[in-house]
Amino acid sequence: GAVVSQHPSWVICKSGTSVKIECRSLDFQATTMFWYRQFPKQSLMLMATSNEGSKATYEQGVEKDKFLINHASLTLSTLTVTSAHPEDSSFYICSARGLAGGTHEQFFGPGTRLTVL
Amino acid sequence: GQQVMQIPQYQHVQEGEDFTTYCNSSTTLSNIQWYKQRPGGHPVFLIQLVKSGEVKKQKRLTFQFGEAKKNSSLHITATQTTDVGTYFCAGQGAQKLVFGQGTRLTINP
Repeated sequence: GAVVSQHPSWVICKSGTSVKIECRSLDFQATTMFWYRQFPKQSLMLMATSNEGSKATYEQGVEKDKFLINHASLTLSTLTVTSAHPEDSSFYICSARGLAGGTHEQFFGPGTRLTVL
Repeated sequence: GQQVMQIPQYQHVQEGEDFTTYCNSSTTLSNIQWYKQRPGGHPVFLIQLVKSGEVKKQKRLTFQFGEAKKNSSLHITATQTTDVGTYFCAGQGAQKLVFGQGTRLTINP
C-alpha cells in the first residue's frame, strides 16, 4: 500500500516555542492531507483538511492561527504548532488521500508525539 | 454534525473467545472503514465497506455494513493475543471521515 511518513516521530519542547511537523506521501501524490490529534486513550479528532495549493479547512474549535498548516506540494504538508503549551501535548497524526488506492482510502502516517514542558 | 458512536468502549476476553464491536452513524455514509491501532502505534487500515448490506471477511475477521449504510460491525472469531489493540470504525460522510471512539480489546492468554 501507499506509504506516508511523518517527521519527527517525537519531540519535546519548552512552553512558548513553535514546533513543525512534516507529513510526506512517499510513493503517491496526495491531493488531500488530513491532520488529526489523538489524546491518550481517545479517538482521532480531525483538526484540519488541506488541499494542495489552497488554504486548509479547520474543524470547529481548532485555532488556525495556532495550528498553521501548509500544503505546498502534492507530497508534503506541514503542521506548525505555534507558541506551544502543555495542553498541546498530544499525538499528531497525518493522513493522505490521493490517486493511489480507492477513492476514499486514507493512508496514515506513523504519528508524532509532542510533549510540551 | 455527523457523529459516529462505537460500543463497547472496552472488551476483555479470554483467548479463543469471540469479540464484536459495533458502530452507528447519525447520518447515512458513503462508506465505512475499519482501523486497528496497536498500543503506541498508529491506525492501520483494515478494510472499507461501500455497499448496503455488504459483508467482507479477512481470515477470522468479519465486517458488516448495514442495509441503511448507517451501522457496521466487526466480529473476530477465536481471538488470539495478536488481536490486542483498539479497533476504530470511521464513517465517510459527504466531506470528511469521522472516527468512532474505538473499542479497546485486551486478551487473557
